[in-house]
Amino acid sequence: GAVVSQHPSWVICKSGTSVKIECRSLDFQATTMFWYRQFPKQSLMLMATSNEGSKATYEQGVEKDKFLINHASLTLSTLTVTSAHPEDSSFYICSARGRGLAGVSTGELFFGEGSRLTVL
Amino acid sequence: AQSVTQLDSQVPVFEEAPVELRCNYSSSVSVYLFWYVQYPNQGLQLLLKYLSGSTLVKGINGFEAEFNKSQTSFHLRKPSVHISDTAEYFCAVGLSGYALNFGKGTSLLVTP
Repeated sequence: GAVVSQHPSWVICKSGTSVKIECRSLDFQATTMFWYRQFPKQSLMLMATSNEGSKATYEQGVEKDKFLINHASLTLSTLTVTSAHPEDSSFYICSARGRGLAGVSTGELFFGEGSRLTVL
Repeated sequence: AQSVTQLDSQVPVFEEAPVELRCNYSSSVSVYLFWYVQYPNQGLQLLLKYLSGSTLVKGINGFEAEFNKSQTSFHLRKPSVHISDTAEYFCAVGLSGYALNFGKGTSLLVTP
């Protein structure tokens, strides 16, 4: 089946530093990637949608200058949390929708394992 | 816009008992419906999906769900749960090409 890999799975950083999270589709071409944020005991909130080769579309209330998203290739998207602060601590999950993968039905998203960010 | 309501935030159940996790959706157009499971500190795993056709959908780990258009529901069921089914379950709704909208999740706790 389709596999999406996120790295790192855990990251701790100091306030004011930047952190990059990678999301890779391992066995298919991810034409669209979605970045979600999940607070403890809560649902997933869509942050942004990125299509390969174009700028990401951010949801209302998400600061595009703080959460930089790059989708430079069909297998890689990155989320960079710039000048991180404790309130940015969260579980970040990427998901991808692919093309050309046998058995993948329209609409299904494949999720990465998630990245837990803790900002001290 | 599409939205999902998961009516129960927590569902405690004894091992080997049946369980139903409820999900209602709202949409002015036909949508796709999904159930995902999330184990602690992990990403989401697809349990099953409804795209079209038969309203009874069977998924992995013995789960099934029934799409009811008149009641706008997509409840998840399992006839006999195991301890290992303890997890967070999310119902999601979406359209082709767009991101999914998730419910708030239902925490299933299976005890011996």
